[in-house]
Amino acid sequence: GDSVTQMEGPVTLSEEAFLTINCTYTATGYPSLFWYVQYPGEGLQLLLKATKADDKGSNKGFEATYRKETTSFHLEKGSVQVSDSAVYFCALSGIYNQGGKLIFGQGTELSVKP
Amino acid sequence: DAGVIQSPRHEVTEMGQEVTLRCKPISGHNSLFWYRQTMMRGLELLIYFNNNVPIDDSGMPEDRFSAKMPNASFSTLKIQPSEPRDSAVYFCASSLLSGADYGYTFGSGTRLTVV
Repeated sequence: GDSVTQMEGPVTLSEEAFLTINCTYTATGYPSLFWYVQYPGEGLQLLLKATKADDKGSNKGFEATYRKETTSFHLEKGSVQVSDSAVYFCALSGIYNQGGKLIFGQGTELSVKP
Repeated sequence: DAGVIQSPRHEVTEMGQEVTLRCKPISGHNSLFWYRQTMMRGLELLIYFNNNVPIDDSGMPEDRFSAKMPNASFSTLKIQPSEPRDSAVYFCASSLLSGADYGYTFGSGTRLTVV
């Protein structure tokens, strides 16, 4: 079945450092891909998405490119801030879309130090 | 739009008691999902509904858990009897069935503590 694998956390960075959180997937065909962010004490929020190969999703300085050849959707940000400290989840929606169900990765905790 | 609304935000109950968690999805959304989040297991899908009909409840841990969606604007997740291992944050999310590409909107969650 469809699945998502993320790099393990926690990831600790200094402010203004470059961020990469790896995400790879296994799925039939061309799923839609998402990144969600969860701030402490809150629910998950959609950060960005890409619905077809080579699409780049972007929001709040974060970017991720849908790479079909490597089945990846890595999250990047050029200069992180303390306020980016959160848990980040990669997710996919399969082409058979099983009633709209999203498949989530295990989450990667990011901690940004001043 | 007020978003997905969950109540209560926090619930502390004694083992053996019945617990009911509530969710109001975004108006117009026709898919609703219940998740449980713990440090040990991460984010687990418990059950989801399309057009108020349960589609997949394979994630419900055992018969003590039940969920209903009597109409398009309300859903409940009930645990009876509750146990300490049920302590977790429970999230409700909604989406458009035909537009899974839009992703989900999550509620703020209910933090359940069973003592």
